[in-house]
Formats: sequence, structure tokens, C-alpha cells
Amino acid sequence: GQSLEQPSEVTAVEGAIVQINCTYQTSGFYGLSWYQQHDGGAPTFLSYNALDGLEETGRFSSFLSRSDSYGYLLLQELQMKDSASYFCAVRVRLINFNKFYFGSGTKLNVKP
Amino acid sequence: NAGVTQTPKFQVLKTGQSMTLQCAQDMNHNSMYWYRQDPGMGLRLIYYSASEGTTDKGEVPNGYNVSRLNKREFSLRLESAAPSQTSVYFCASIDRFGTDTQYFGPGTRLTVL
Repeated sequence: GQSLEQPSEVTAVEGAIVQINCTYQTSGFYGLSWYQQHDGGAPTFLSYNALDGLEETGRFSSFLSRSDSYGYLLLQELQMKDSASYFCAVRVRLINFNKFYFGSGTKLNVKP
Repeated sequence: NAGVTQTPKFQVLKTGQSMTLQCAQDMNHNSMYWYRQDPGMGLRLIYYSASEGTTDKGEVPNGYNVSRLNKREFSLRLESAAPSQTSVYFCASIDRFGTDTQYFGPGTRLTVL
């Protein structure tokens, strides 16, 4: 089966850096994605790692270690608008098809 | 280019009633998905469609049926709604050979009394 673990809640202050960890157990692992979801909204894609290492997209970076079955999302220069839930999702590749399994989400509270 | 659209946005049903949730995408994507999200939880896959004409069960298919009407549309049907199906339902699509970006619709908030 598939399982993902991430912290349920994280609090940080505006301007700070925060790291959200994700550990996973899966068969057929192909990559790790991160999604952001504001209250009442739909998930939106942030980042994806298929290979080990760091991917940077503006203030957001994502890291993957396939050997450790571990990844994290790093948010820098936190802004109030970053208050949201963040989900990691493993991508499992079937024949000509992608399947995704999501973690339970980490609620990020950014305080002034 | 509207992306992924879902109707209705909100729905209240009584136990035993049936309804169909509609989803459409205009990005020419091959694969489409239906997820449910319960409070404080991640998304769980109900059904998916790898391409037009094919559908398969996900993690939590019981109580649901789907139809991939054409490449654009993928509907989810509740034949006999139960309170346990109270949830937010998201439809998503992805290009089979593209990136790993799933594009999500705005969701349908369903309450079953």
C-alpha cells in the first residue's frame, strides 16, 4: 500500500523560513509533488521532484531523497498569504497513466 | 480557457437520494480523476479515467459510479447517498505525457442529511 506522513500543523512568523517534511512508503514511486490549498479553495500545484536534490521556484523549494523516502517543501520570506494547507503527493506510474496518493496535509499558520 | 469546471458548487441531499456531479476540462487532457476530501484530510482517489472510454476504481469507490462521456467530461454519480458521503469532491485532469501537474476544479461541497 501507500502511506505518507507530514506534520499536521506548523506556525511561523512573517519573513521567516519554514520547512514541511514528508516521508512516504510506496511501491512504484515515480516522484513527489507538493500542492497548496487555501481554505475553501482547490489544490494548486507548487513543485515536483523526480530525482534527488533541490528544485527551486521563487520563494519555494522542494527537496527529495529517494533513498530515504523523504522530501520537504521549503518556504522562504514567508508572507501572510502563505497561510494555507500544504500536501505532499507521491506519483505512481502505471502503464501510460499516473496515479497520485496524497498526505493528510500540513496547515501552515503565518503570524505577523 | 476555463481549465477544469465542476457543477454544482454546493448540494444538499437526503439519505437515499441520487445525484450526478459534473466535471469538464478544456485542456485536451487524456486523464481525469475524482477525489474526495474530508475535513483535515488529504485527497482520496475515488475513480479515475486514463483515457476516453476507460475508467478504473481508486481507493474509495464504494457507493459511486463514473462515466467518461468524452475526452472533456467525466461525471461522478451517487446512486443512493449516505451521510458518510458528505465531503468535498474535486475533479482533476492531467496530460498523459506532460508534467506532473494535476489541474483541479473548484470542488463540489456535498452534504447528505
